Amino acid sequence: ETGVTQSPTHLIKTRGQQVTLRCSSQSGHNTVSWYQQALGQGPQFIFQYYREEENGRGNFPPRFSGLQFPNYSSELNVNALELDDSALYLCASSFSSGSYEQYFGPGTRLTVT
Amino acid sequence: ILNVEQSPQSLHVQEGDSTNFTCSFPSSNFYALHWYRWETAKSPEALFVMTLNGDEKKKGRISATLNTKEGYSYLYIKGSQPEDSATYLCAFISGSARQLTFGSGTQLTVLP
Repeated sequence: ETGVTQSPTHLIKTRGQQVTLRCSSQSGHNTVSWYQQALGQGPQFIFQYYREEENGRGNFPPRFSGLQFPNYSSELNVNALELDDSALYLCASSFSSGSYEQYFGPGTRLTVT
Repeated sequence: ILNVEQSPQSLHVQEGDSTNFTCSFPSSNFYALHWYRWETAKSPEALFVMTLNGDEKKKGRISATLNTKEGYSYLYIKGSQPEDSATYLCAFISGSARQLTFGSGTQLTVLP
């Protein structure tokens, strides 16, 4: 069974730039969720994709967007980066949407300067 | 905005001590509650998924209880070991939103 992987591990970007983060789901999972974790806080839900369709969104602006591909891998895109976007970004896959436990990747640490 | 609170924020215990922490969540429109353990430099790992009022779950020395009517869950660790050192996160799922809302976590340090 392949675990959840994320790339890159670390990333430094300049304010105003765009960034794409990638996530490979665990085998057999059709749902992926993305979270932002700022220092000292719990992960904040960004959005979820279920079978390639957005299936819920948290309180994040439209410059945060995502995609899920037929193989259930996923991307998180952030446009017009702001300093406050500096955080750890986690993706998590699950067997389906709902109450199923989520399997997290190790995260991508994004620093915006 | 859903409010999920965890206490204490951090905790230091001696090896062999038993400990517990609390997760508080809205008592209405409950769907499920998750507990995760997050060790430094690793991925968060699911401990329990709890869905029914009165649920009690156990995994080795770790157990959890759930009270949906009053909106709280307790996580217990019996005979803490240094390898239990981690941040413990709870996450609430409401019936309407069906997304995880996390607390800020309890950071546990077990001293040898």
